[in-house]
Amino acid sequence: DGGITQSPKYLFRKEGQNVTLSCEQNLNHDAMYWYRQDPGQGLRLIYYSQIVNDFQKGDIAEGYSVSREKKESFPLTVTSAQKNPTAFYLCASSIGQGRVQETQYFGPGTRLLVL
Amino acid sequence: SQQGEEDPQALSIQEGENATMNCSYKTSINNLQWYRQNSGRGLVHLILIRSNEREKHSGRLRVTLDTSKKSSSLLITASRAADTASYFCATDRRTGANNLFFGTGTRLTVIP
Repeated sequence: DGGITQSPKYLFRKEGQNVTLSCEQNLNHDAMYWYRQDPGQGLRLIYYSQIVNDFQKGDIAEGYSVSREKKESFPLTVTSAQKNPTAFYLCASSIGQGRVQETQYFGPGTRLLVL
Repeated sequence: SQQGEEDPQALSIQEGENATMNCSYKTSINNLQWYRQNSGRGLVHLILIRSNEREKHSGRLRVTLDTSKKSSSLLITASRAADTASYFCATDRRTGANNLFFGTGTRLTVIP
């Protein structure tokens, strides 16, 4: 059963703590993305990766970091430098391979809350 | 900054009625996509329309694109309670990477 998964569903962060959100896909997609969604603001792009071992900053990368060591995995770390991390985080993937204007496939999301 | 804006922000209709949502964008595009999001869930792709297309159908969905007005509309015919969700338009960024600008969404409520 192919798809894209995110874990955990809910995550709590304490002050000064780094937390990592998991995103895994078995769709054999090259490209992966992280978005942040706040109420009434739609989705904003945090980071994206077009291929393994490569990633680029999106519109709101400050306070976040990513890695892309495996094709299937694109974890997002919310660092202590991100002062307002409470949001719904969505991971997505697309075929990539130099193609543009593609459909993106989304995971179920992780809701991050600050204690 | 976000490219697309949906209108209205919220829409409430009776089951069986048609629902129309609009999206406006600012710069030239190669294509425009519509996605659906159930509350607290991920987005699901509905339909993609290319800049050289004016209308596209998929089941009960009809999408139009007017590049001269930089706008698109999504029509859901014969709505059902299960259509209750938020609907987002997304435009490409023309950067060579498949990055999308998402609008702020229209929250549709279909009353049984």
